[in-house]
Formats: sequence, C-alpha cells, structure tokens
Amino acid sequence: GAGVSQSPRYKVTKRGQDVALRCDPISGHVSLYWYRQALGQGPEFLTYFNYEAQQDKSGLPNDRFSAERPEGSISTLTIQRTEQRDSAMYRCASSLVSLAGGTDTQYFGPGTRLTVL
Amino acid sequence: AQSVSQHNHHVILSEAASLELGCNYSYGGTVNLFWYVQYPGQHLQLLLKYFSGDPLVKGIKGFEAEFIKSKFSFNLRKPSVQWSDTAEYFCAVVPSGYSTLTFGKGTMLLVSP
Repeated sequence: GAGVSQSPRYKVTKRGQDVALRCDPISGHVSLYWYRQALGQGPEFLTYFNYEAQQDKSGLPNDRFSAERPEGSISTLTIQRTEQRDSAMYRCASSLVSLAGGTDTQYFGPGTRLTVL
Repeated sequence: AQSVSQHNHHVILSEAASLELGCNYSYGGTVNLFWYVQYPGQHLQLLLKYFSGDPLVKGIKGFEAEFIKSKFSFNLRKPSVQWSDTAEYFCAVVPSGYSTLTFGKGTMLLVSP
C-alpha cells in the first residue's frame, strides 16, 4: 500500500519567507509526527497529532513554527520568516495509534529538504 | 529527558565481516526500542523493534538486536554484512507512556565489496 508521502521533496527559500511543508500519512493512521534532522544528527521531535488534535508541541523551537492537521489526515508544518538555521530535513511519520499507553511503529516519509539562503 | 548514544559515527567493513553497532539509552523505566535504517537516497525504514518478551529480536535482512536491560543497551548485529548494507543506522527509544521517539545521532556504515 501507499506509504507516507511528503511534499515538496526539496525546498529552497530566501531568508524571511514563509514555507509550508505537507505530509500525507498512511491511510487510517491515527497519529502523525513531525521531526527535524540537522546534518550529522538524528531526527528530533517537533510535534505530533492524534486525529486532528495536537497532542504535544513541546519540540517546536519557537513561535515561528506551527503545525495543523485540520481533518485528521494531511498535516502542514509552517515556518514563518525562515532563518538560515531552519535549514534541515523535515521528516513526517505516522502510526496506527499513539505509542503512549500502547505499542505501535512509526513509518516515515521521504522527508523535505529545506534550504534557507 | 531520555537520551540515546550511538558509539560509532562511522564504520567501515569489508563484505562478510561481522557487524555490531552499539546503542545505549538513558532512562530508568520501561522502554520500547527501535533500529531504523536509511539506505542512500531512501527514507527511514524500520529494521527491527523491541517492545517486550524475548530480548533477542530479529529483523529484516538478517539483522538482530539484543536488549540488555542492566546495561541500558540495544546493540545491533549481523553476522556477515553485504555491500547492500551500506546505509545510515539509527537507534531510537520511546519510554512507555510516551509517544515520541528519541533518536541517536546515527552510524554511517560503509561496506566495501
């Protein structure tokens, strides 16, 4: 079946511009996660949703970052007024259920490589 | 907060050599453990996982990992690597009752033919 998809795969933008990154999870998956991965590092948690509800946004680095999942399926991560330090791979994952209180595996999409000039 | 340490950032092996990648985590409670792999040009894929039961878990492509609770370790092993195992390997942990993965920094494995 279809896996997690993300778009765009690559995004180059100028400092100060806003960007929107999209994630389409595996059909039927309840939970959706956003991670950010800098060069030479492992992915770091940003935020996650169960259905349309944002359960945890403690990993968002500052208020320029926001995410939504209005219909409980596709999610958008928005970065306002981008800065060079925002350059990274942004990864989305989905799972059938949240791992909290249960056990399930997160399946990752291909990621969006963001470069801020 | 929990953390994950992967001891080797780069490993170079010849085909047929044995592989062991170290992973240690810092968390005192019950955890779920994962190894993910990223082949060149591809996305992160699950290699294997441990939730409970037998601490020796077997994954895809001949990989296995052993959970040693007393050592807070979840080392990845393969008896004989192939050139196609060239990839970056990530260990990840999630404490029971939580939802988000904490990853190590990854180990880049290069297998020479």
